[in-house]
Amino acid sequence: AQSVTQPDARVTVSEGASLQLRCKYSSSGTPYLFWYVQYPRQGLQLLLKYYSGDPVVQGVNGFEAEFSKSNSSFHLRKASVHWSDSAVYFCVLRPGGYKVVFGSGTRLLVSP
Amino acid sequence: GGIITQTPKFLIGQEGQKLTLKCQQNFNHDTMYWYRQDSGKGLRLIYYSITENDLQKGDLSEGYDASREKKSSFSLTVTSAQKNEMAVFLCASSRDTLSGNTLYFGEGSRLIVV
Repeated sequence: AQSVTQPDARVTVSEGASLQLRCKYSSSGTPYLFWYVQYPRQGLQLLLKYYSGDPVVQGVNGFEAEFSKSNSSFHLRKASVHWSDSAVYFCVLRPGGYKVVFGSGTRLLVSP
Repeated sequence: GGIITQTPKFLIGQEGQKLTLKCQQNFNHDTMYWYRQDSGKGLRLIYYSITENDLQKGDLSEGYDASREKKSSFSLTVTSAQKNEMAVFLCASSRDTLSGNTLYFGEGSRLIVV
């Protein structure tokens, strides 16, 4: 069965610090993987997506993610966070067809 | 670019009442989805539709009806509102159901049952 696990429900980092949000997935075959961000009272917005090729994929606003087949992971990173990055981040897996599997989300709080 | 518009942003109703949420998209996408988002949890699929007049049940369809009379619109009805289903309902669309296609989301509609 396909699944996505985001082990950290909340992460707090200081402004200017680096960030890693963890995502582990379970899927037969190589799925499409996405990271979405949800700002307060808004819908989900795409940060980046990956299927094949270079395991490090660049996204919007300085975010990047690294795919690891051996670790079944797709961690999100940013070199220097800004207060406006405070939001909920979802790791998403699309194994095929209409099916979309969402992680439970990680709430990021960037402190001044 | 396009946009997904959900109305209303807040829907307040009484227990047992039938309540309807509406979603419009101007991407000209074939596939549309309704998800329920409970606090601290991921999204769960209620209904999806791959084209006009098509309806497919998701994992959480019990207690809900849907309607896709036009390609651009997708409605969700809570058939008998209950206090334990207060949540945010998110509408999304994608070009089709191919895995690589991005889902685009509306801003959500919050259901409040009094």
